[in-house]
Amino acid sequence: ETGVTQTPRHLVMGMTNKKSLKCEQHLGHNAMYWYKQSAKKPLELMFVYSLEERVENNSVPSRFSPECPNSSHLFLHLHTLQPEDSALYLCASRSGNTEAFFGQGTRLTVV
Amino acid sequence: RKEVEQDPGPFNVPEGATVAFNCTYSNSASQSFFWYRQDCRKEPKLLMSVYSSGNEDGRFTAQLNRASQYISLLIRDSKLSDSATYLCVVNLGTDKLIFGTGTRLQVFP
Repeated sequence: ETGVTQTPRHLVMGMTNKKSLKCEQHLGHNAMYWYKQSAKKPLELMFVYSLEERVENNSVPSRFSPECPNSSHLFLHLHTLQPEDSALYLCASRSGNTEAFFGQGTRLTVV
Repeated sequence: RKEVEQDPGPFNVPEGATVAFNCTYSNSASQSFFWYRQDCRKEPKLLMSVYSSGNEDGRFTAQLNRASQYISLLIRDSKLSDSATYLCVVNLGTDKLIFGTGTRLQVFP
């Protein structure tokens, strides 16, 4: 049972498609994160939102566009992706310096 | 130097063995540390938090050496269900958690 929910769990999209990943947290946390996990690589931090303000963007290509409408919801809008963008996309939330809680991830395949 | 370094393994150990993983970090301002466990194709889940010199929870012991900038995880009496990837995580502040590549553990009967 997780307090962080991601949808969809699996997504296959073409390179010309536009899709969105959704993350929702029910833990009352004030920071939310998007991470990318490719095979045999560490988790890569993509975006951080703290109190609904974006505080970090780790040189992520503009074909990934985050949105944080409130402290409980986080989206990742995808458009014109490349096959190398295929990965597991994980959302996490936390408050202060405590541990992060992860959603189950969206496994994305770009064809 | 990588911010967080771990031996990727795999560590193959028999049931009942004791196994230890090390993790080194480069930023001396690191505030706290975590060990996460990640099963294949699943999300990482918190195993232990390390805020001072160490922490113990049943068969699992984490130790922190700030002078040498490393954290260790010791697993005693390994179980088959301990097979997973163990991620070392360094907390650099409210907005920044840095993950290691993980160490893969395989426990065999």
